[in-house]
Amino acid sequence: GDSVTQMEGPVTLSEEAFLTINCTYTATGYPSLFWYVQYPGEGLQLLLKATKADDKGSNKGFEATYRKETTSFHLEKGSVQVSDSAVYFCALSDPDFGNEKLTFGTGTRLTIIP
Amino acid sequence: EPEVTQTPSHQVTQMGQEVILRCVPISNHLYFYWYRQILGQKVEFLVSFYNNEISEKSEIFDDQFSVERPDGSNFTLKIRSTKLEDSAMYFCASSFQTGFNYGYTFGSGTRLTVV
Repeated sequence: GDSVTQMEGPVTLSEEAFLTINCTYTATGYPSLFWYVQYPGEGLQLLLKATKADDKGSNKGFEATYRKETTSFHLEKGSVQVSDSAVYFCALSDPDFGNEKLTFGTGTRLTIIP
Repeated sequence: EPEVTQTPSHQVTQMGQEVILRCVPISNHLYFYWYRQILGQKVEFLVSFYNNEISEKSEIFDDQFSVERPDGSNFTLKIRSTKLEDSAMYFCASSFQTGFNYGYTFGSGTRLTVV
């Protein structure tokens, strides 16, 4: 079945550091890929998405590129801020599997220190 | 920006009691979902709902669970006889088209504590 493997956390960085959170996936079809963010005490918010190979999703300075050849969708940000502290979830939805559900990774907790 | 609204934000219930978690999806959305997140674990799919019927459910969604859209605006998740292991954050989500093209909008969740 489909699965998402995420870089284990927690990750602690200093403000303005470069961020990479790795995500790889296994899917039977040609999935769409997502990054969701969960700020403390809040629900899941869509951060960015990509629906086909080589697409780059971007939002709030975060980027991720859909790499079919490496089955990856790594999240990057050039200069993190304290306000980026949250849990980040990589997810996929596989239309060829005949459903609309999201399969999530385990989440990576990111803490940015001033 | 339109929101998915969940109530209550936190519910404490005794083991064996019935609970109903409520969600108001975005008004023009057609697809509805429940997910849960046990503390410290991954977010897990429970059920999807379209055209007034379940379109898919996971193995977690056993006979103790049911969903309903009683009045065209609310979307509820009922747990008939809660167990300790049902303690989790439950997220409702909705989408206009099938989620894989659009991504869902999630609510802020209901934290269910079974004691």
